[in-house]
Order: sequence, then C-alpha cells, then structure tokens
Amino acid sequence: KQEVTQIPAALSVPEGENLVLNCSFTDSAIYNLQWFRQDPGKGLTSLLLIQSSQREQTSGRLNASLDKSSGRSTLYIAASQPGDSATYLCAPTTDSWGKLQFGAGTQVVVTP
Amino acid sequence: DVKVTQSSRYLVKRTGEKVFLECVQDMDHENMFWYRQDPGLGLRLIYFSYDVKMKEKGDIPEGYSVSREKKERFSLILESASTNQTSMYLCASSPQGTSGSYEQYFGPGTRLTVT
Repeated sequence: KQEVTQIPAALSVPEGENLVLNCSFTDSAIYNLQWFRQDPGKGLTSLLLIQSSQREQTSGRLNASLDKSSGRSTLYIAASQPGDSATYLCAPTTDSWGKLQFGAGTQVVVTP
Repeated sequence: DVKVTQSSRYLVKRTGEKVFLECVQDMDHENMFWYRQDPGLGLRLIYFSYDVKMKEKGDIPEGYSVSREKKERFSLILESASTNQTSMYLCASSPQGTSGSYEQYFGPGTRLTVT
C-alpha cells in the first residue's frame, strides 16, 4: 500500500521567505500527484497537479517538482505571504481510477 | 469553475439515527469520492463511484453505504450513526474514465457530530 510522508510536519517563517515543503511516497508507480491547500475547518483547494511524465509544474508563486523514481515531490512557494498560512497536503495516485493517498500534511505559518 | 457542494457545513445527530450526506457537482464528472478526515489519521477514502449506480469500497467502508442515482449527485449514508463516526466528511469529484490523469476537486466539507 502507498505510504506518503510529509516533512516537516509544521513550519513557521517570516513573510518574504521562500517555503520548501517535502513529500515522499513508497510506490513510484504513480499516475499523478496533486498538491492541496487546506484552511482550518474548510475543504481542500487544489494547487497543482503533476502528471507522472512531468518533472515540474508551475502556477504563479508555486512550483512543484516530481522525481518519480526516487518517490519524491517538492512544493516551493516563493516570497511567502501571511495569506499562505494553511496546511499543505500532497496526494499521489497509484490507481487508474484516480484514488488519492494523502500525507498527513505540513502546517505552515507565515508571520508578518 | 468546477463547483462541488455539500448539503450541510455542520450537522449534529444522535446515536442510532440514519444520516444522509449529500454531494453535488456541476461539471459532469464521472468519478465521485467520499473521504473522512480525522486528527492524526488524515484523509481516508470511504467509497467512490465511477459511474451512475456504480460504486467501490475504499479503505474504511464499514458502517457506511452510498447511492449514486444521478451523475451529479453522490450520497453517503450512515445506516446507524455511532459516536466514532464523528468526523469531517469531504466529497470530491474528477473528470476521468480510467486514465487516472485528472484533477480531483473537493467540496467545503461537512462537520458531523454524533452524540
């Protein structure tokens, strides 16, 4: 069964610093990997989807890399802002129906 | 924009009640999913559906059933609610057949408390 680990579990940075969030997974036979953001008590917002054939995906200040062979993905958030404070979750899928396996998340706090 | 809506944000039910959680998506997606989220356990898949009237068990189906009579609507049913089903329930949908390549979109969640 796919095991997903996110490190660190929590992160606090001053505004303006770049954020680096790590995700590792045990089964490299994935179809894709999705990064989500979750605000307290709310649903998940999709940030980026990387297909298994891609090495990188970018959206605005967000950049996600994927190294499928080593079972790793990294989410970079440039020039962090207090509004980036949230929990970030990664979720690969090793199933043709697209079922996601979630990590526990990284809780990010960006201080003004 | 894709929109996934859930019938209630907060729900309080008594032990033994039958509970219905409703989810509706407006983008003609084939696949729909129900997850629950608990502190320390993360998100876990309860059931998913890949077509009308088609369903598959996820990782934790015990105590739950589902119904998908129309493509846009996926219902989660707690046959006899118990206190260990107190949780945040999240519905999601994705536009795919069997390729596994499409993005999954989530609803706002229903916080269910069973007393």
